[in-house]
Amino acid sequence: DIHLTQSPSPLSASVGDRITITCRADQTIHSYLNWYQRRAGEAPKLLIYGASSLASGVPLRFSGSGYGTDFTLTISGLQPEDSAMYYCQQSSGYPWTFGQGTQVE
Amino acid sequence: QVQLVQSGAEVKKPGASVKVSCKATGYPFSPYFLHWVRQAPGQGPEWMGRINPHNGATIIPQKFQHRVTMTCDASVTTAHLVFIWLTSDDAAVYWCAREAEGGYSLDHWGQGTLVTVSS
Repeated sequence: DIHLTQSPSPLSASVGDRITITCRADQTIHSYLNWYQRRAGEAPKLLIYGASSLASGVPLRFSGSGYGTDFTLTISGLQPEDSAMYYCQQSSGYPWTFGQGTQVE
Repeated sequence: QVQLVQSGAEVKKPGASVKVSCKATGYPFSPYFLHWVRQAPGQGPEWMGRINPHNGATIIPQKFQHRVTMTCDASVTTAHLVFIWLTSDDAAVYWCAREAEGGYSLDHWGQGTLVTVSS
């Protein structure tokens, strides 16, 4: 199985900050990396797919980058509603796997 | 609009089985794979497998192969997850999720079904 490691966790920030979350795979996953946001009590929401493509309806302050084994999710201009858990997920091979999550406070 | 509506919370005893349903509306059912994901308290999400509604073909990780069955009923656009021999480690929120049109990501999720396992 492909293992994903996220850092940091937790991450404390202020409104307006620019934050970056990192996801590292233990083998190459090309660009088959997605990012999800999960607010408390809600289902996960797709933010970024294919490492860098913004999902429909997602604010432009969210962006993703990376290829191979190292990926980042950046939130530029943090908003109060961005307080949530963020998970990376790989779909390079089965079984699909998720990172352990980053709490943004 | 695309909606996945799941069945309600369940409380089960160890050793029992549970069936979670996922009713899909707002899109053509058959062309889109449906996945199941669970998350136990304090842990990251865990992928449980996926089903092709067109032909019922499934991909289920070895970890779950002996305990999980995934089915689809296209006539009522509903997917089902049956999980047998439950233990306390299976207590989690279970979601169904649709694979995106381009594949490789999950673009719509059900609201989740809480499964509690307690004697």
